Amino acid sequence: ENVLTQSPAIMSASPGEKVTMTCSASSSVNYMHWYQQKSSTSPKLWIYDTSKLASGVPGRFSGSGSGNSYSLTISSMEAEDVATYYCFQGSGYPLTFGGGTKLEIK
Amino acid sequence: DVQLQESGPGLVKPSQSLSLTCTVTGYSITSDYAWNWIRQFPGNKLEWMGYISYSGSTSYNPSLKSRISLTRDTSKNQFFLQLNSVTAEDTATYYCARSDGYYIMDYWGQGTSVTVSS
Repeated sequence: ENVLTQSPAIMSASPGEKVTMTCSASSSVNYMHWYQQKSSTSPKLWIYDTSKLASGVPGRFSGSGSGNSYSLTISSMEAEDVATYYCFQGSGYPLTFGGGTKLEIK
Repeated sequence: DVQLQESGPGLVKPSQSLSLTCTVTGYSITSDYAWNWIRQFPGNKLEWMGYISYSGSTSYNPSLKSRISLTRDTSKNQFFLQLNSVTAEDTATYYCARSDGYYIMDYWGQGTSVTVSS
């Protein structure tokens, strides 16, 4: 099983601050995908194929990486970005999710 | 617009079977895509459980392979999850979701909470 390790587990940022969270895969993957989940709602596709923004995702979000190491970056934190972000890999079975990074606002 | 909606009992006794239904509207489950079940445990860990494809083929998480069965009713545009011999560790919120050929899950249901307890 490809274990995805996200760091940090919890982080907080001030409005306007740049935010970066990472996802490390135990086995190399071709692409990484990211989901955003807000309290009591289902996960939403946020970034797919490592760097493509899903429909409706603000341009301040970006994704990058390759092989075993991937990241999600917010160029300027906004209050609406408070959520938990999960990385996900579909390169191998079983499909797996990371443990999540909970993003809070200062 | 594509919509998925989970339904089923919110409480299941230990050792019994958990059965959930996902009703899909706005898209035929036999046209394309794979139709997945994912669960989220207390503490928020997400686990992919398996999928049934548009053709009816299935794929399961090996951690569940002996207990899980995914089926469908194409006339009702529904697919089903059955998980046997449940324990308290199966307590979770269960989601159904659609995924493409690269397993990217783009549409999700709202989720249904299931508690395993006597």
